[in-house]
Amino acid sequence: DSGVTQTPKHLITATGQRVTLRCSPRSGDLSVYWYQQSLDQGLQFLIQYYNGEERAKGNILERFSAQQFPDLHSELNLSSLELGDSALYFCASSPTHSLYGYTFGSGTRLTVV
Amino acid sequence: ILNVEQSPQSLHVQEGDSTNFTCSFPSSNFYALHWYRWETAKSPEALFVMTLNGDEKKKGRISATLNTKEGYSYLYIKGSQPEDSATYLCASLSGNTPLVFGKGTRLSVIA
Repeated sequence: DSGVTQTPKHLITATGQRVTLRCSPRSGDLSVYWYQQSLDQGLQFLIQYYNGEERAKGNILERFSAQQFPDLHSELNLSSLELGDSALYFCASSPTHSLYGYTFGSGTRLTVV
Repeated sequence: ILNVEQSPQSLHVQEGDSTNFTCSFPSSNFYALHWYRWETAKSPEALFVMTLNGDEKKKGRISATLNTKEGYSYLYIKGSQPEDSATYLCASLSGNTPLVFGKGTRLSVIA
């Protein structure tokens, strides 16, 4: 157990639907990062939150949004889902800066049918 | 846009062989280079964080070197074992940005 908890582990849903992925960072970590891994792609950075505020944004689609709550857990909302959104979504956390490296969760496998 | 490239994409070696793979990254505004080990059905785990040119880190049979001037890092595995089979990811940190990952090198060690 890495200390970063992601739920659910697997999710199967239909096109056009909306889902919420949840992440609880390792105790003491203030930064949460969301990454997407699609087939044959590396880990693509989506968004970072630090202590409740958005810190950096990557190639995140407008249909996707995220937030970090006062207890530091984070949620990634994916709406109007398309087949191409099927991927493994990772959450990672770090104490503050990325310099210290990440602790990854086990990921959520999203399948859109 | 920061591009991190890893080669080879995949590698098959016999048990006991030593092997190495490469990570290349833009050298401007360099902060750190990270290596992760990612076993199937698990989450990536940190191996090394390297920041200084000429850095060399070692953990058991695995070691890594860093050249920040030319923008590359090597990961070496000595005497590969089946349990070393995994995808090895490198990630570069430049400025105040999140880590940018390469696509990884998938290593299979055949007993």
